Amino acid sequence: DSGVTQTPKHLITATGQRVTLRCSPRSGDLSVYWYQQSLDQGLQFLIQYYNGEERAKGNILERFSAQQFPDLHSELNLSSLELGDSALYFCASSGGLANTGELFFGEGSRLTVL
Amino acid sequence: DAKTTQPTSMDCAEGRAANLPCNHSTISGNEYVYWYRQIHSQGPQYIIHGLKNNETNEMASLIITEDRKSSTLILPHATLRDTAVYYCIVRVVRTGNQFYFGTGTSLTVIP
Repeated sequence: DSGVTQTPKHLITATGQRVTLRCSPRSGDLSVYWYQQSLDQGLQFLIQYYNGEERAKGNILERFSAQQFPDLHSELNLSSLELGDSALYFCASSGGLANTGELFFGEGSRLTVL
Repeated sequence: DAKTTQPTSMDCAEGRAANLPCNHSTISGNEYVYWYRQIHSQGPQYIIHGLKNNETNEMASLIITEDRKSSTLILPHATLRDTAVYYCIVRVVRTGNQFYFGTGTSLTVIP
């Protein structure tokens, strides 16, 4: 158990809809990262937050947005969903801003868009 | 961050050492080598990292060549539970600098 909690574990929705994925980092970790992994693809970095502020942005679509709340949990919002958004979405946390070595990953949220 | 090259797949007999190579010929002096693994659709798991010295922990050993252009992850006694995709990542430790996962090596441990 990494200590990172993601909900929901599975989500099925229709094209055009909007969903919210939630992540609770390890206790004490200030950084939260979101990654997307499509079927048989590598992990694509989406976005990082540190202590409530956006710190780095990767290949995140404009239809997607995220935020980190004062209690350090984070939400990833996916809107106007398309079939191609079906994927595993991972959240990871780490303690430091510079992140010296370890990212702790949750078990992921599997999104299926029909 | 420097690019890495890994074999697409490898097999290893159970109980034997698994040696996973990674080429990072364009690595710069301040870039670390990290290894993570992902067991079938689970969240990736940190294994080990190093700068230039060889490193060992309870999971694995990391051997980095003297010129730092390549490295090898060694799982000393592979078990079936070590079947996973192994990612080698080269990265500078600085604010906002991310872990970019490539396609990794799919290791299959054979009974």
